[in-house]
Amino acid sequence: EAGVTQSPTHLIKTRGQQVTLRCSPISGHTSVYWYQQALGLGLQFLLWYDEGEERNRGNFPPRFSGRQFPNYSSELNVNALELEDSALYLCASSLGAGTEETQYFGPGTRLLVL
Amino acid sequence: GNSVTQMEGPVTLSEEAFLTINCTYTATGYPSLFWYVQYPGEGLQLLLKATKADDKGSNKGFEATYRKETTSFHLEKGSVQVSDSAVYFCALTDNNAGNMLTFGGGTRLMVKP
Repeated sequence: EAGVTQSPTHLIKTRGQQVTLRCSPISGHTSVYWYQQALGLGLQFLLWYDEGEERNRGNFPPRFSGRQFPNYSSELNVNALELEDSALYLCASSLGAGTEETQYFGPGTRLLVL
Repeated sequence: GNSVTQMEGPVTLSEEAFLTINCTYTATGYPSLFWYVQYPGEGLQLLLKATKADDKGSNKGFEATYRKETTSFHLEKGSVQVSDSAVYFCALTDNNAGNMLTFGGGTRLMVKP
């Protein structure tokens, strides 16, 4: 069974640009989560989508947004990129929406903002 | 709010040594507890989990017991291998916090032959 996949694996952008990251969950999983792993800041929760709806949002500015498609895949969009957005962006999926459900992570997209 | 505190690394051990990585938490609801591992250049992999008090999670020789009275979920392994070298993250989800995983800062483990 295929795991969570993310694209692209690496990305280089300049300040002010916009970026879209993509995630495909494990087959049958309806919940998708996005996390940011920035150097020195640890792992921070960004967004949670379930059944096409945004269910929860972390403490990030509105220029971080996303959506979930009918096939449960998801996009994360970041507008007006800033240097501090440089990070590893991790997507995870879970079978259901309960807190006991395991979140399975993809390999991540490494974003560098110059 | 919720928080997870784990011992800072790096932790350096010789092969076959005993490992303990301490993890304590604060949660407003009834958390589920997780240990994830991140190998160099990779994403996170679930190592083990426990969803209620006194549960013991175990996998690949690693164990952790959900201790509600001490709000702890310490990771242990009786005999580490070089291949266990990685960063270990303790984390929780909480029914009051909308499914987000709250992570500790991570502990880097280095095992020498």
